[in-house]
Amino acid sequence: AQKVTQAQTEISVVEKEDVTLDCVYETRDTTYYLFWYKQPPSGELVFLIRRNSFDEQNEISGRYSWNFQKSTSSFNFTITASQVVDSAVYFCALLTRGGGADGLTFGKGTHLIIQP
Amino acid sequence: DADVTQTPRNRITKTGKRIMLECSQTKGHDRMYWYRQDPGLGLRLIYYSFDVKDINKGEISDGYSVSRQAQAKFSLSLESAIPNQTALYFCATSTGGGEGAQYFGPGTRLLVL
Repeated sequence: AQKVTQAQTEISVVEKEDVTLDCVYETRDTTYYLFWYKQPPSGELVFLIRRNSFDEQNEISGRYSWNFQKSTSSFNFTITASQVVDSAVYFCALLTRGGGADGLTFGKGTHLIIQP
Repeated sequence: DADVTQTPRNRITKTGKRIMLECSQTKGHDRMYWYRQDPGLGLRLIYYSFDVKDINKGEISDGYSVSRQAQAKFSLSLESAIPNQTALYFCATSTGGGEGAQYFGPGTRLLVL
């Protein structure tokens, strides 16, 4: 069975600080995909990134960066120089092929609060 | 216009009533999904569909049914609503192969009294 753990329920930082959101996953499949989604207070889910299990390169997109480490089954997300608009709930999710179901397995989310 | 739309956006109903939530997409994706979100629990998969003739149960399908009327339309029904089905419901789509990102609709807030 697949599992995604986001141990940080809530994080609060002051604007301009860097912040890292942790994601640990469990799967027996060798082929899988990892995702991060953002859910702002308005409620919609915004896709941020997709990474497959064969690509361990870290990725940077503006102030966002992702660190994928298969050795520790982690896919962590860092926001550099945080801004108030980054305040949201962030979900890490896992998609595998071996379990039969084709949907995403989500973590419970991390509520990020950026204080001005 | 949004690529994935859901109607209604908000709904209040009573225990025992039948209710249908609708999802439409203009992305041309073949795969569609229904999830529910409960506070502190993340999102959980209810049903998914690879095409019009292929419907599959997800993690929490009990009490729900679905209909894939066309490639672009996927409806979720609660045959007899109960209070613990109060939640935020999301529809999502993805490209063939299912390996691409899933794109979500704006969600439907359902309250069952």
